Amino acid sequence: DAKTTQPNSMESNEEEPVHLPCNHSTISGTDYIHWYRQLPSQGPEYVIHGLTSNVNNRMASLAIAEDRKSSTLILHRATLRDAAVYYCILRGHSGGSNYKLTFGKGTLLTVNP
Amino acid sequence: NAGVTQTPKFQVLKTGQSMTLQCAQDMNHEYMSWYRQDPGMGLRLIHYSVGAGITDQGEVPNGYNVSRSTTEDFPLRLLSAAPSQTSVYFCASRSGLDTYEQYFGPGTRLTVT
Repeated sequence: DAKTTQPNSMESNEEEPVHLPCNHSTISGTDYIHWYRQLPSQGPEYVIHGLTSNVNNRMASLAIAEDRKSSTLILHRATLRDAAVYYCILRGHSGGSNYKLTFGKGTLLTVNP
Repeated sequence: NAGVTQTPKFQVLKTGQSMTLQCAQDMNHEYMSWYRQDPGMGLRLIHYSVGAGITDQGEVPNGYNVSRSTTEDFPLRLLSAAPSQTSVYFCASRSGLDTYEQYFGPGTRLTVT
């Protein structure tokens, strides 16, 4: 399975942008890049996903490198509620490929008031 | 919609006892799965189901049984609890194998003494 590498922890200040990096140098052509986050004492929640193009939704933006070997989750204005562990996950989406979500340790984001 | 619900929220067992963790979803999702999360770690897949009557093993299935008699319910059975099974257990569902967004329950915190 293709693996991802994330920093163990990052810090940000409230209302500032946050860029969370993820390296996935062995990504295959059919792997989508998913991001989930886990708030304290809660189950993970979906944030965003993408394949090749940059993606935006109400929660965040996902910037994907041209060679797809890395990606960055962007929180445009961090709030205290964004303090969580952020997981970058690769997942196949075509028939017969890996459709399981495999979680690493993620990045613990601390947001300072 | 209640989403994914799990009961109980907390449970303490003695070594050798058996119990069932309940998971239900009201979104008519075909795919359901169970994960465990140990302190400071990511989630690890225990068992999953792609539809009623169909289950398969994840990466850490030993000591656990599952069944899927209905679309809504996916209980996880601990046959003979061991201290190594002390963990937080999360149930998750999504509408199909290729669906992007997976929904997680709030978790069950299990302690085995």
